[in-house]
Amino acid sequence: DAGVTQSPTHLIKTRGQQVTLRCSPKSGHDTVSWYQQALGQGPQFIFQYYEEEERQRGNFPDRFSGHQFPNYSSELNVNALLLGDSALYLCASSRLGGGTQYFGPGTRLTVL
Amino acid sequence: AQSVAQPEDQVNVAEGNPLTVKCTYSVSGNPYLFWYVQYPNRGLQFLLKYITGDNLVKGSYGFEAEFNKSQTSFHLKKPSALVSDSALYFCAVSGISGTYKYIFGTGTRLKVLA
Repeated sequence: DAGVTQSPTHLIKTRGQQVTLRCSPKSGHDTVSWYQQALGQGPQFIFQYYEEEERQRGNFPDRFSGHQFPNYSSELNVNALLLGDSALYLCASSRLGGGTQYFGPGTRLTVL
Repeated sequence: AQSVAQPEDQVNVAEGNPLTVKCTYSVSGNPYLFWYVQYPNRGLQFLLKYITGDNLVKGSYGFEAEFNKSQTSFHLKKPSALVSDSALYFCAVSGISGTYKYIFGTGTRLKVLA
């Protein structure tokens, strides 16, 4: 049973560029959440998707957007990258109803 | 405001000794509580959770956690530490007022000394 997968593993971008990160949920899961983990910090909630709709959003600007596809996979898009967007981006999947969230290995984004 | 606190940045323990990693929370209602572990350059691995019921919860790799409602704490414990337990541990809370997001603490680095 495959767990949560994310791609790419690492990414280097320059300020002002745009980036797309991808996530495939664990088998049987229908809900995807995204978190940003800055160096030395705990993960911070960005948003959660269910049935292709954004269900809840954290305190992140509109530069952060997402999408969920019919197969439950998800993308996180970040526009107009800033140096402060450098972080580990974690995807977590769960079942509807607040089931335990299981995390992928993350995508390390570096903005130069 | 809802928050989770992990008061120790680092905990050092000798191999074979018991370990405790502390977590306290400040939320309204009855939250769900979680512990995750993170190894270098890896995502978070689920260890255990408390939703309701017995205050002592058993999880993966011999870890357990004790929920204390009066002290609003959810400390992680293990009777006998292994060097391989050395990692970054995160406490998280969810289920607050019907929300779905997890609020994480800042993490505690556990170092088990041989």
